[in-house]
Amino acid sequence: DIQMTQSPSTLSASIGDRVTITCRASQNIYSWLAWYQQKPGKAPKVLIYKASTLESGVPPRFSGSGSGTEFTLTISSLQPDDFATYYCQQYNSYSVTFGQGTKVEIK
Amino acid sequence: EVQLVESGGGLVKPGGSLRLSCAASGITFSSSSMNWVRQAPGRGLEWVSSITSDSNYLYYANSMKDRFTISRDNAKNSLYLQMNGLRAEDTAVYYCARDRGGGYFDLWGRGTLVTVSS
Repeated sequence: DIQMTQSPSTLSASIGDRVTITCRASQNIYSWLAWYQQKPGKAPKVLIYKASTLESGVPPRFSGSGSGTEFTLTISSLQPDDFATYYCQQYNSYSVTFGQGTKVEIK
Repeated sequence: EVQLVESGGGLVKPGGSLRLSCAASGITFSSSSMNWVRQAPGRGLEWVSSITSDSNYLYYANSMKDRFTISRDNAKNSLYLQMNGLRAEDTAVYYCARDRGGGYFDLWGRGTLVTVSS
C-alpha cells in the first residue's frame, strides 16, 4: 500500500496566519491527491482534489499544490471556521490511503 | 435532499457479526462507485472497501478482506457492509462515502458507531 505522511501532526496558529500542511507519498501518485477537513463529531469534507482543484463551494483561501510525492495544502489567511483536522488522501491505486491527519489549533 | 444515511451499528461481542447499511437519496446512486471508510475513536481515517456502480469490482483493505463483504442494491439505493469475525480493533465510526470519480470522496454520511467489546 502507498503510505501517506503528513507534517506537522499538530499546528498552532492565529487568525489571519498563513498555514501550510505537507503530505508526502511513499511512491509517485502523480496528482491523484485530495485534501479533507474534519471537525469533531462530523464527517470529512473534501476541499481539494487532483492536488490543486478547489471543490465547489470551498473558500478560495484554501489552495493545494504539488505532484509526484510531495504536496501542500495552504490556507492563506486562517479563519475561525478553519480550526479542524486536515487529511490528505491518495487515490492513485484502488487501495486508497489517508495521511494520519494534521490538527490545526488556536494559538 | 442529497444525503447518505448509515445504520446498523451497535455493540457486538468479539467474533460476532454485524451488517451496516447506507441509504442514499437525492443522488444517482446507480451511477456511483461507493465506499466504506472508518475512524477509530481519536484516530485518523481508514479506507475499508469500495464497490463499483455495477458491483463488478469489489476492493478491500488488506486487513479486512477476509472478514468484510461489501454489496449494494441499486434498486433500493442502498450500500451494505457485512462484517464477520469482529475484533476490538474494528471499533470505529463507519462512514459510507460516494466516489466522485477516480477515487476521492465528495459525499459522506454522518457515520454509524460499531463497538466490539465483551
